[in-house]
Amino acid sequence: AQSVAQPEDQVNVAEGNPLTVKCTYSVSGNPYLFWYVQYPNRGLQFLLKYITGDNLVKGSYGFEAEFNKSQTSFHLKKPSALVSDSALYFCAVRDRSFQKLVFGTGTRLLVSP
Amino acid sequence: KAGVTQTPRYLIKTRGQQVTLSCSPISGHRSVSWYQQTPGQGLQFLFEYFSETQRNKGNFPGRFSGRQFSNSRSEMNVSTLELGDSALYLCASSDGTWASYEQYFGPGTRLTVT
Repeated sequence: AQSVAQPEDQVNVAEGNPLTVKCTYSVSGNPYLFWYVQYPNRGLQFLLKYITGDNLVKGSYGFEAEFNKSQTSFHLKKPSALVSDSALYFCAVRDRSFQKLVFGTGTRLLVSP
Repeated sequence: KAGVTQTPRYLIKTRGQQVTLSCSPISGHRSVSWYQQTPGQGLQFLFEYFSETQRNKGNFPGRFSGRQFSNSRSEMNVSTLELGDSALYLCASSDGTWASYEQYFGPGTRLTVT
């Protein structure tokens, strides 16, 4: 079965500092990986995806993610954090045959002024 | 394009009752997926509908059911509600093709069962 793991429940970072939110995956075959963000009382917003190609994927709001096959990781990064980035972040893997997404447990990002 | 809409946004029901939630996908999208989000279990896949047919199903009891109409709008029904059904129910739409990777989520319906 396909799965993703987010080892950190919460990440704290000061505004202006770089941030990393970690995700590791376990899939058979090539993974289709995603990052979503959820703000309070809102649905999930798509940030970026890795399907194939360059290991560094750029997404919305200045976020990027690095796909590392040898370490089975897909960490989310941003060079300079904003207070408004504070939210709940989910890593997900898509079933190869269907639209089903399998989500990690989520990581709460708290950016302090 | 208008985004995914879900109605109602909030709902309070009593144990044993049933509830119907509605989801209108982005215009042109034919796939609608439903997810349940709870603090304890996280985000879990319920089912996916494509062109009025259930194409994939998660591991939920038969009390959870859904359907999709010819205009791609989808409804989810939960019968004989239990306290544990309290959750945020999210729907997501996509064009449903194999190469459509992004799913677009609605704001969710927060169901509280008392």
